Amino acid sequence: AQSVTQLGSHVSVSEGALVLLRCNYSSSVPPYLFWYVQYPNQGLQLLLKYTSAATLVKGINGFEAEFKKSETSFHLTKPSAHMSDAAEYFCAVSDKNNAGNMLTFGGGTRLMVKP
Amino acid sequence: DAGVTQSPTHLIKTRGQQVTLRCSPKSGHDTVSWYQQALGQGPQFIFQYYEEEERQRGNFPDRFSGHQFPNYSSELNVNALLLGDSALYLCASSLTGTDQPQHFGDGTRLSIL
Repeated sequence: AQSVTQLGSHVSVSEGALVLLRCNYSSSVPPYLFWYVQYPNQGLQLLLKYTSAATLVKGINGFEAEFKKSETSFHLTKPSAHMSDAAEYFCAVSDKNNAGNMLTFGGGTRLMVKP
Repeated sequence: DAGVTQSPTHLIKTRGQQVTLRCSPKSGHDTVSWYQQALGQGPQFIFQYYEEEERQRGNFPDRFSGHQFPNYSSELNVNALLLGDSALYLCASSLTGTDQPQHFGDGTRLSIL
């Protein structure tokens, strides 16, 4: 079964600093990979996705992620944090061999941005 | 263009009762999935519906059941509610295909007393 590990349940950065949120997956066949953001009392919003095209994926709100097969990783970055980036971030995978596109999520990383 | 809509937004039930949650997918989407998100955790997959059939199911007991209608909308039913069923229930829709991203509604917050 697929599993997703997000290192660091809480990450704190200063406004303007680099944001790095880590995600590793466990699968012998690279899955499809997604990052979602969740603001309080809301559902999940898709930030970006990797579906076997370019390994560096650009998403919304200035975020990007790089797929590294050798490291089974899909870390999320943003060069300069804004206060509005404070939220919960989830990495998720979809198994290419499944009939459907069910998602397996990591435990999430809460990003805090200090002024 | 309306996104995924869920109703109700909040619900309070007591142990042993039954509940039905509703979801309308984003326009053009034919696949609906349901997730349970306990407080402080990532969402857990319950099941997915496509062409009015359950296509995939996660590790949830038979007390959790669902339905998809011809207009692609969906219901999640939970019988014999337990305290541990208290969670945010998220509906997501997509086009069919393993590479298709899922689009989420804002969820239904279910509290069991």
